[in-house]
Amino acid sequence: YELTQPPSVSVSPGQTANITCSGDKLGGRFACWYHQKPGQSPELLIFQTTKRPSGVPERFSGSSSAHTATLTITETQPSDEADYYCQAWDVLTPWVFGGGTRLTVL
Amino acid sequence: EVQLVESGGGVVQAGGSLRLACTASAMSVTGTYMSWVRQAPGKGLECVSVIYNNDYTHYKVSVRGRFTISRDSSKNTVFLEMSSLTTDDTAVYYCARNHEPAAGGYFDLWGRGTLVIVSS
Repeated sequence: YELTQPPSVSVSPGQTANITCSGDKLGGRFACWYHQKPGQSPELLIFQTTKRPSGVPERFSGSSSAHTATLTITETQPSDEADYYCQAWDVLTPWVFGGGTRLTVL
Repeated sequence: EVQLVESGGGVVQAGGSLRLACTASAMSVTGTYMSWVRQAPGKGLECVSVIYNNDYTHYKVSVRGRFTISRDSSKNTVFLEMSSLTTDDTAVYYCARNHEPAAGGYFDLWGRGTLVIVSS
């Protein structure tokens, strides 16, 4: 099972960024999202496709359709620059991550 | 504060062995899913091994037979024994707490990582 993300996404400050994650029937599975800033560990942003852990700003939200999960970041800030990873669970390929998307805010 | 602290990384020659440790604070490593996730230099994340709450273990295909995950409740520590190391195993190894597959298997707590360098 594979999860495919675009290698990079660019957004202007204050605008909305959408980062996609594609996988077979991903809409029927739980997806989650992490961000990782340079030199830091990954941090959970979204779990079970749409839920935010406590402390994660409401600017971050998750959604999904048939084969795609999407992370949406509204009012994007320069501090949101990071690598973003999606992840899901599949019986044949447990705990699979997408390849990551570098978000650039410029 | 709930945290995971990894140790044991270092430089090892190809074919050698290393044991990583992950010690938890303010939480128990027993009765929960614990994992090792690695990140090669400049690359993405990959889940190497998971120990389930019932002690079932899962391994990425490329490390099966070479890596062993275990936990010691008396030390509140999870271990990753690595042998027959190759240069492809060079990475930062993160310890993480994760959740059951039915809940999506997400990782909600990560350590800072420990660097393993395998020299040829």
